[in-house]
Amino acid sequence: AQSVTQPDIHITVSEGASLELRCNYSYGATPYLFWYVQSPGQGLQLLLKYFSGDTLVQGIKGFEAEFKRSQSSFNLRKPSVHWSDAAEYFCAVGQSGGSYIPTFGRGTSLIVHP
Amino acid sequence: DGGITQSPKYLFRKEGQNVTLSCEQNLNHDAMYWYRQDPGQGLRLIYYSQIVNDFQKGDIAEGYSVSREKKESFPLTVTSAQKNPTAFYLCASSIRGGLDQPQHFGDGTRLSIL
Repeated sequence: AQSVTQPDIHITVSEGASLELRCNYSYGATPYLFWYVQSPGQGLQLLLKYFSGDTLVQGIKGFEAEFKRSQSSFNLRKPSVHWSDAAEYFCAVGQSGGSYIPTFGRGTSLIVHP
Repeated sequence: DGGITQSPKYLFRKEGQNVTLSCEQNLNHDAMYWYRQDPGQGLRLIYYSQIVNDFQKGDIAEGYSVSREKKESFPLTVTSAQKNPTAFYLCASSIRGGLDQPQHFGDGTRLSIL
């Protein structure tokens, strides 16, 4: 069965610092990978997705993610964090040939210090 | 603007009472989903529907029921059989079922027990 792990429950960074949020998945087929962001009391918004091709994916709001098959990872990065980036971030993974419903990780809460 | 509307934003349930959460979309999407979100547990799938008059159970369907009589509407009923209903409920839709179709989310309904 497919599974996705976000090892960090909380991440704290200073405004202007770089950010990396970790996501690891486990299953053997070609993965479909997503990152979503959730502001307090709201729904999820898609930041970026990876299906195939270039392993470095650009998303909205200045975010990018890199797919590394050898490490089963799809980490989210941003070179310089803004206070408005404080939110909950979810990685989601789907398996081609299986259920078309992606599996969501437990989320990482990003705290931004001024 | 097209989107997904969930109502009400806050809902309170008395013991032994059924309550219904509304989800309406004007995106002309075929597939719709209901998720439950608890702190630290990410999103868990309750029910999903690929087409009108058809729906399938997700991972935690017990104590919940749905209907899909119209393409744009996918209401969720939390029955008295759901003993721990306090949570944040998210409705989502996608153009069609399929991992290459990212989900669009509503802003959620927070359900609490009186």
